[in-house]
Amino acid sequence: DQQVKQNSPSLSVQEGRISILNCDYTNSMFDYFLWYKKYPAEGPTFLISISSIKDKNEDGRFTVFLNKSAKHLSLHIVPSQPGDSAVYFCAASAGGTSYGKLTFGQGTILTVHP
Amino acid sequence: EADIYQTPRYLVIGTGKKITLECSQTMGHDKMYWYQQDPGMELHLIHYSYGVNSTEKGDLSSESTVSRIRTEHFPLTLESARPSHTSQYLCASSMWRAADTQYFGPGTRLTVL
Repeated sequence: DQQVKQNSPSLSVQEGRISILNCDYTNSMFDYFLWYKKYPAEGPTFLISISSIKDKNEDGRFTVFLNKSAKHLSLHIVPSQPGDSAVYFCAASAGGTSYGKLTFGQGTILTVHP
Repeated sequence: EADIYQTPRYLVIGTGKKITLECSQTMGHDKMYWYQQDPGMELHLIHYSYGVNSTEKGDLSSESTVSRIRTEHFPLTLESARPSHTSQYLCASSMWRAADTQYFGPGTRLTVL
């Protein structure tokens, strides 16, 4: 049972436009969400996170939105740059016995064309 | 910027060999993790540790073992490598807080022939 899903395997965007990556989750105990960027043969790099007490968090070109009622989060990248081309993973964690453990989605390949 | 290191970066080895993948962090983080990732798939947690002498199995069953004798060091060992162990292994660490960002090392790409 996959608790974190990224239903779009890939996304192609023109440079300068907005990239929107989506993520859905099923576990209502998740209370902290993160986005990571990964290049081939490298480890994931942390991008941005959001706590369940917020519905939006912004850091430069990156904004994460959380809709708890829909169990949905999204990452907006504005403006998109060719260097943003990578695999993007969303991840979620819950308190209690799952303290600090992350559950990852399958990833979305973002390609930004010049 | 996180300081977490993994060696080797790439390893090609024959079936039946014993291997140890090294992971070290210089941030003083209490929590450390090992993930396994196959191409195009999500990361799966295979081991984690909340501190020295603490180790737990993750959500994905793995034949590997880990140890945590020092805060900064969290090696993973496979006693007898098999082709099914071919994968990318990623080490991560985080501080001890209710919700904390995990920082990842560069990973080890393991190929077992």
